[in-house]
Amino acid sequence: DVKVTQSSRYLVKRTGEKVFLECVQDMDHENMFWYRQDPGLGLRLIYFSYDVKMKEKGDIPEGYSVSREKKERFSLILESASTNQTSMYLCASSRPGRSNEKLFFGSGTQLSVL
Amino acid sequence: AQRVTQPEKLLSVFKGAPVELKCNYSYSGSPELFWYVQYSRQRLQLLLRHISRESIKGFTADLNKGETSFHLKKPFAQEEDSAMYYCALSALSTDKLIFGTGTRLQVFP
Repeated sequence: DVKVTQSSRYLVKRTGEKVFLECVQDMDHENMFWYRQDPGLGLRLIYFSYDVKMKEKGDIPEGYSVSREKKERFSLILESASTNQTSMYLCASSRPGRSNEKLFFGSGTQLSVL
Repeated sequence: AQRVTQPEKLLSVFKGAPVELKCNYSYSGSPELFWYVQYSRQRLQLLLRHISRESIKGFTADLNKGETSFHLKKPFAQEEDSAMYYCALSALSTDKLIFGTGTRLQVFP
């Protein structure tokens, strides 16, 4: 079965800390994505990657960076966590080409920044 | 700009009633539209996509380019349909999906 695994289900960090959220997929997908999910705001794209070492900004990249050193792993980095980054973070992957492909999502990481 | 609008945050119906979750989009080209669903304590998953013209769990959605809408419909709601529903759009030149703000469907017994 298809798997997108996010390393932590819950994380609690302090303001100013550097935070790493890890995501691994076992489907050999080229595309990987990071979204944040907030009530009333839906899913907003932070960053995505079409290939190893490649990244593109999404709609809300400020305060975040990403790393894609291997095809199966896509990391989201909060350089200096702030309280407004408290959210549910969802990782997803897909094969390239739109028509019959879909996003496969991880279970999410609920991050609380105190 | 590409945008997906779901005007209802919450939709409450009784079991057996018809359901329509509204989705409108803004995109100048030919979009691909999707509905994703998130059941309680489960991961977000694809429900259906417009190009497939399929019915999944009794749900259907028709792309209306004139009204730029992709409403999700089911003639008789079931309690197990209670979930969060997201409409999403994929533009021609990219593999990324733009999501709406979501509609929570509550089906009461």
